[in-house]
Amino acid sequence: DSGVTQTPKHLITATGQRVTLRCSPRSGDLSVYWYQQSLDQGLQFLIQYYNGEERAKGNILERFSAQQFPDLHSELNLSSLELGDSALYFCASSPGDRAPLHFGNGTRLTVT
Amino acid sequence: DQQVKQNSPSLSVQEGRISILNCDYTNSMFDYFLWYKKYPAEGPTFLISISSIKDKNEDGRFTVFLNKSAKHLSLHIVPSQPGDSAVYFCAASLNSGNTPLVFGKGTRLSVIA
Repeated sequence: DSGVTQTPKHLITATGQRVTLRCSPRSGDLSVYWYQQSLDQGLQFLIQYYNGEERAKGNILERFSAQQFPDLHSELNLSSLELGDSALYFCASSPGDRAPLHFGNGTRLTVT
Repeated sequence: DQQVKQNSPSLSVQEGRISILNCDYTNSMFDYFLWYKKYPAEGPTFLISISSIKDKNEDGRFTVFLNKSAKHLSLHIVPSQPGDSAVYFCAASLNSGNTPLVFGKGTRLSVIA
């Protein structure tokens, strides 16, 4: 158990809809990362937060947004969903720089 | 443009033999490299890392080798065990880990008993 909790585990929704994925980092970890894994793809970095502030941005679409709350949990919001957004979304946390990331078990999103 | 490449999608090895997983990168500014292991329905778990100031790092049955001039790293597992069967991801970072990790697509290792 990595200590990173992601909910829900599975999500099935229709095109055009909006969903929210939730992540609780390991106790004491200030950094939260979001990654997307599509079929046959590696993990694509979306966005990082550190202690409530956006730290780095990767290949995140404008339809997607995220935030980290004062209790350090994070939410990834995906809107105007398209079929191509179907993927595994992973959250990871770390105590800070130069520390390996610890991943949650992911949320599998299916857009129909 | 893929900056971290794992050109072998899969690898099959006999139990007890050596498993060698390879990874190439294109960005010469990467200076921190990691390997993650992933079982089905679980998130990736950290395995071993290496800084660019080293060319080898060992942890039990796992050894990572880094060849900076070739922009190549490899993970050796000796001896391989059936429980090592998983997808292995290579990842790289700039500035000694101060930037988000860039991952390869992974190699599926099957260790046959």
